Amino acid sequence: DAGVTQSPTHLIKTRGQQVTLRCSPKSGHDTVSWYQQALGQGPQFIFQYYEEEERQRGNFPDRFSGHQFPNYSSELNVNALLLGDSALYLCASSSPGGLLKETQYFGPGTRLLVL
Amino acid sequence: AQKVTQAQTEISVVEKEDVTLDCVYETRDTTYYLFWYKQPPSGELVFLIRRNSFDEQNEISGRYSWNFQKSTSSFNFTITASQVVDSAVYFCALSVYTGNQFYFGTGTSLTVIP
Repeated sequence: DAGVTQSPTHLIKTRGQQVTLRCSPKSGHDTVSWYQQALGQGPQFIFQYYEEEERQRGNFPDRFSGHQFPNYSSELNVNALLLGDSALYLCASSSPGGLLKETQYFGPGTRLLVL
Repeated sequence: AQKVTQAQTEISVVEKEDVTLDCVYETRDTTYYLFWYKQPPSGELVFLIRRNSFDEQNEISGRYSWNFQKSTSSFNFTITASQVVDSAVYFCALSVYTGNQFYFGTGTSLTVIP
């Protein structure tokens, strides 16, 4: 049973560029959440997708956007990259959707470095 | 607003010692969920335990045990007879019934010295 997978594992970009990160949820999961983890900090919630729609959003600017596909996989897009966007980006999946507060299972993350 | 506090930034213990990681949470919701995750150097957060607000039973799983006390808003994690493989950053997290996001503490970095 495959867990949550993310790609790429590492990424280096320059300021002003755009980046797309990808996530495939754990088998049987239909809800995907994205988190940003700066060095030495706990993960911060970016947003959650369910049924191909953004269900909840954390305190992140509109430069951060996402998408969920019919197969439940998801993308995180960040435009106009800033140095402060350098972080580990974690994807978490849970099941099923709806109001139940299911445990979130995390992927290995994508380490983004903005120069 | 929700908040999780892990006051211990770094802890070092010698192998086979017991160690307790503290977690204090804040929420006005009456239904909420608490979690502990382990983050090894590889970066992936590994789920350890979930506890619902309406279930204050403590839990033991092998060398791990958790003490949930609503009266003090704490959800502490104890590792008995620590091992080098326990070295990692441990995060406590909170989720409430009325929302979907997890709120994480800043983590406690545990180093077990052989």
